[in-house]
Amino acid sequence: AQSVSQHNHHVILSEAASLELGCNYSYGGTVNLFWYVQYPGQHLQLLLKYFSGDPLVKGIKGFEAEFIKSKFSFNLRKPSVQWSDTAEYFCAVTSYGNNRLAFGKGNQVVVIP
Amino acid sequence: EAQVTQNPRYLITVTGKKLTVTCSQNMNHEYMSWYRQDPGLGLRQIYYSMNVEVTDKGDVPEGYKVSRKEKRNFPLILESPSPNQTSLYFCASSPRLTGELFFGEGSRLTVL
Repeated sequence: AQSVSQHNHHVILSEAASLELGCNYSYGGTVNLFWYVQYPGQHLQLLLKYFSGDPLVKGIKGFEAEFIKSKFSFNLRKPSVQWSDTAEYFCAVTSYGNNRLAFGKGNQVVVIP
Repeated sequence: EAQVTQNPRYLITVTGKKLTVTCSQNMNHEYMSWYRQDPGLGLRQIYYSMNVEVTDKGDVPEGYKVSRKEKRNFPLILESPSPNQTSLYFCASSPRLTGELFFGEGSRLTVL
């Protein structure tokens, strides 16, 4: 079955530090990849997505992600975090020919001012 | 304003008392889905619907029912709620399965 793995479920860092969250998926076919963010007490919203083309994707609020097909990975990065980036981050994968969208278990990120 | 609306947002009920959580979207999306979010488990899909009258089970369908009689509505039904269904529930919609999901605000359900 299709699965999505996120590591380092709890991340604590200081403002201005760099952030990288890993995401690996198991499906080998053509995939669409997403990162969603959930701020405290809010619903999920899209951070960025990859369908095709340039494997380096830029999203909102200075986030970017890189799709590495050979590693089945779609890691999220931000060079310099802010306190307002405190949130839970979810990687999600859907694939053509498979009517399923799989989410990872999330990364809880806390940015200390 | 494009949105997914869920009701109720908060509900406390007792074991065995049937309840329905409504979900409505105004974006003419074909795909709709229900998820539950539990600490440490992330989001798990309960049911999804590719279009009107087309529904299918997700990863954790036990104890839930859904229907899709109209394109805009996708209610989640708990026929006989149990305490292990205490959770935060999200409805989401998308133009198609492989597109971006738009989430509702969430419904926090407590079953005593």
